[in-house]
Amino acid sequence: AVQLVESGGGLVQPKESLKISCAASGFTFSNAAMYWVRQAPGKGLEWVARIRTKPNNYATYYADSVKGRFTISRDDSKSMVYLQMDNLKTEDTAMYYCTTMGIGWGQGVMVTVSS
Amino acid sequence: DIQMTQSPSFLSATVGDRVTINCKASQNINKYLNWYQQKLGEAPKRLIYNTNSLQTGIPSRFSGSGSGTDYTLTISSLQPEDVATYFCLQHNSGNTFGAGTKLELK
Repeated sequence: AVQLVESGGGLVQPKESLKISCAASGFTFSNAAMYWVRQAPGKGLEWVARIRTKPNNYATYYADSVKGRFTISRDDSKSMVYLQMDNLKTEDTAMYYCTTMGIGWGQGVMVTVSS
Repeated sequence: DIQMTQSPSFLSATVGDRVTINCKASQNINKYLNWYQQKLGEAPKRLIYNTNSLQTGIPSRFSGSGSGTDYTLTISSLQPEDVATYFCLQHNSGNTFGAGTKLELK
């Protein structure tokens, strides 16, 4: 079965950095585009970042709200996807989901940005 | 960027009702429209992909339709376990979610 497990969330102060990770299993990871989607408390879903596969040069895409601050990456040898978040803002507080946008969704990791 | 306008924001219905939820895109999205269900405290789950393809394991009371800019999720006969928030997602150009429809039982 497809499984995605996020880790690395926590409480940070504004302007600090945090890197969250996602371990994938149950599917051919190297063939799948991977995404990060977030959900602020009580709010809707917001697409954050996407990374394509090796044949597509690992191309990356970002929401305007995080462009220049967040970096998505992947390690196909470990079936891992990462989100490096720099210069965090209070409005980045959310549950962050790793997903294939298909049947694969993690349970999410909470990131809280507060002083 | 493509904007998605989802309606209604809130819906109250009775078991057995036919329920429809709509999403309107700001431009043609060529049927690249998915529907997700999110129950309280859980991760989203994909119900429908590319407008009308039912995800494996999803009950047949869920269906999708539409084209161009207008898309609809239909639940043919509402069941208690369908209480959730529903989101549409366009993936024709980038990715944009609708704001969500919270469905409750009357």
